[in-house]
Amino acid sequence: EVQLLESGGGLVQPGGSLRLSCAASAFTFSHYVMSWVRQLPGKGLEWVSTISDSGDTTHYADSVKGRFTVSRDNSKNTLYLQMNSLRAEDTAVYYCATEGSYYDSWGQGTLVTVSS
Amino acid sequence: QAVVTQEPSLTVSPGGTVTLTCGSSTGAVTSGHYVYWFQQKPGQAPRTLIYDTSNKHSWTPARFSGSLLGGKAALTLSGAQPEDEAEYYCFFLYSGTRVFGGGTKLTVL
Repeated sequence: EVQLLESGGGLVQPGGSLRLSCAASAFTFSHYVMSWVRQLPGKGLEWVSTISDSGDTTHYADSVKGRFTVSRDNSKNTLYLQMNSLRAEDTAVYYCATEGSYYDSWGQGTLVTVSS
Repeated sequence: QAVVTQEPSLTVSPGGTVTLTCGSSTGAVTSGHYVYWFQQKPGQAPRTLIYDTSNKHSWTPARFSGSLLGGKAALTLSGAQPEDEAEYYCFFLYSGTRVFGGGTKLTVL
């Protein structure tokens, strides 16, 4: 069974940094485009970033461009999201998902709270 | 980036039919938007029901169908069940970007 397990969330002060990880198992990770999606508390879904299967191509939402960096290590079956210059409005549950298989698999999410 | 508009809330009777729609601020929605529909229940991760406008995953109940209707994307639920009460999000994947609609809270009552 495909599994995606996010980690790295937590409480961080405004202006701080966090790196999220998404460990993938039970599928050929290196073959799939992967995405990060977030959900603000009590609000809707927001696409954050997508990375190609090889890692060569990345896309970002305007709200995070220049602050967040998506990457992957196909040898470790792991997706990352480096988040810098964090703001209160980045507070959300962050999900990783397999875009390459039509978003058929999602992690359980990791909560990021930006607050002083 | 386009703004994607959905009905904030809809109500359907058990056994009834309802259509949720998804419009784009940039114009008509087409097959080139590669429209997705996600269902999310409280405390759960989203689940894909429809991809590429009208394709279903193996777990998508037959009562859900996706289409293009009058320049918008549409998700039709025929024969609503109590377990269909949830938030529904449309999603566009196009031109290197992706965008979610604001979501529709569907009540089965």
